[in-house]
Amino acid sequence: DGGITQSPKYLFRKEGQNVTLSCEQNLNHDAMYWYRQDPGQGLRLIYYSQIVNDFQKGDIAEGYSVSREKKESFPLTVTSAQKNPTAFYLCASSMQGTNTEAFFGQGTRLTVV
Amino acid sequence: KNQVEQSPQSLIILEGKNCTLQCNYTVSPFSNLRWYKQDTGRGPVSLTIMTFSENTKSNGRYTATLDADTKQSSLHITASQLSDSASYICVVSERQAGTALIFGKGTTLSVSS
Repeated sequence: DGGITQSPKYLFRKEGQNVTLSCEQNLNHDAMYWYRQDPGQGLRLIYYSQIVNDFQKGDIAEGYSVSREKKESFPLTVTSAQKNPTAFYLCASSMQGTNTEAFFGQGTRLTVV
Repeated sequence: KNQVEQSPQSLIILEGKNCTLQCNYTVSPFSNLRWYKQDTGRGPVSLTIMTFSENTKSNGRYTATLDADTKQSSLHITASQLSDSASYICVVSERQAGTALIFGKGTTLSVSS
């Protein structure tokens, strides 16, 4: 089955701890993205990567870090510097080009207590 | 500022009825417009994607229209079903920045029996 997989679906962490969210795709897509979704708001871009070993900050990158060591994987680390980390996180991937379809994972709901 | 505005914010209809969701945008230069369906706690799933030259596109009971002159789009749902209950998100892409997907806040549709 081709697709994009996020894990875990639910994640709980104590305040001050770093946490890493997994995103894997077997669609052979070059581009991968991380978005954050809060109630009543549109998705906001955290980081994106268009090629292995390269990534760019999105609109709300502060307090987050990523890596792109493999084409299939784009993990997101939520650091203790992120002031309000509790949210629904969505990973997406697409082929290169402006009119290509973006496929989303099922999301990870992170709760920091 | 590039923006995507959706209306109404929420909508309740009876099963079997039709409904229309609206999307207005100010994104320029325009590349394409997408409609996604997002079930609660899940990732968005693409319904349609339209480029500048396309006026209408259908996907089963979903029909999207685009007026690039007035920068308006609509999503029409015919003969609604309980499974249509979800959030519908309008997303506009900038032409010169393939990663720049600008998300609306979505319309929450509830279909009741």
